[in-house]
Amino acid sequence: DGGITQSPKYLFRKEGQNVTLSCEQNLNHDAMYWYRQDPGQGLRLIYYSQIVNDFQKGDIAEGYSVSREKKESFPLTVTSAQKNPTAFYLCASKEAGFQPQHFGDGTRLSIL
Amino acid sequence: QKEVEQNSGPLSVPEGAIASLNCTYSDRVSQSFFWYRQYSGKSPELIMSIYSNGDKEDGRFTAQLNKASQYVSLLIRDSQPSDSATYLCAPQIYNQGGKLIFGQGTELSVKP
Repeated sequence: DGGITQSPKYLFRKEGQNVTLSCEQNLNHDAMYWYRQDPGQGLRLIYYSQIVNDFQKGDIAEGYSVSREKKESFPLTVTSAQKNPTAFYLCASKEAGFQPQHFGDGTRLSIL
Repeated sequence: QKEVEQNSGPLSVPEGAIASLNCTYSDRVSQSFFWYRQYSGKSPELIMSIYSNGDKEDGRFTAQLNKASQYVSLLIRDSQPSDSATYLCAPQIYNQGGKLIFGQGTELSVKP
């Protein structure tokens, strides 16, 4: 059935290590988004992509990178430059137009 | 001034009562508004969309939008303990790739 799949559910990062979070959707949605949520806080936008091979920085892009080589996939890399990566990471997608975003189940990233 | 502000919680109501959640937004944002429900440790789930002034009802939920006052609200009638969650207000930014600006959320607790 259709949906947004994020993996892994839990991820641990060592100092100086880059880690990649996966986000796949089979909803044929054009736009995809990555958010970060810290405890007791709202969601903050990291990156978004409206079409394949194009993406834009959100409000907190420093220390993160993304790619959009396929419509259904939008992986997020948390680089070693991100000094405080511990958070709940959420991927979302939406159809074109004024449609709402729908979220995956999220990935929790922690520092070892 | 924050772009989106929600009434601070936690909001506690008895079972069967009406819960009222409020949200104000700056004039930079779009004319599409979404309410998400987020259970502790889970990802946000869309519960209401509203695009024009007035009321929109869906089951026990009613969203109200007043663009002149830059105000949107969510009423939950006959509140149930299962409604206990954090509710996120999310206006959509016009012409910026469908970006949502999230409020900090209002935590609702429904007491049996």
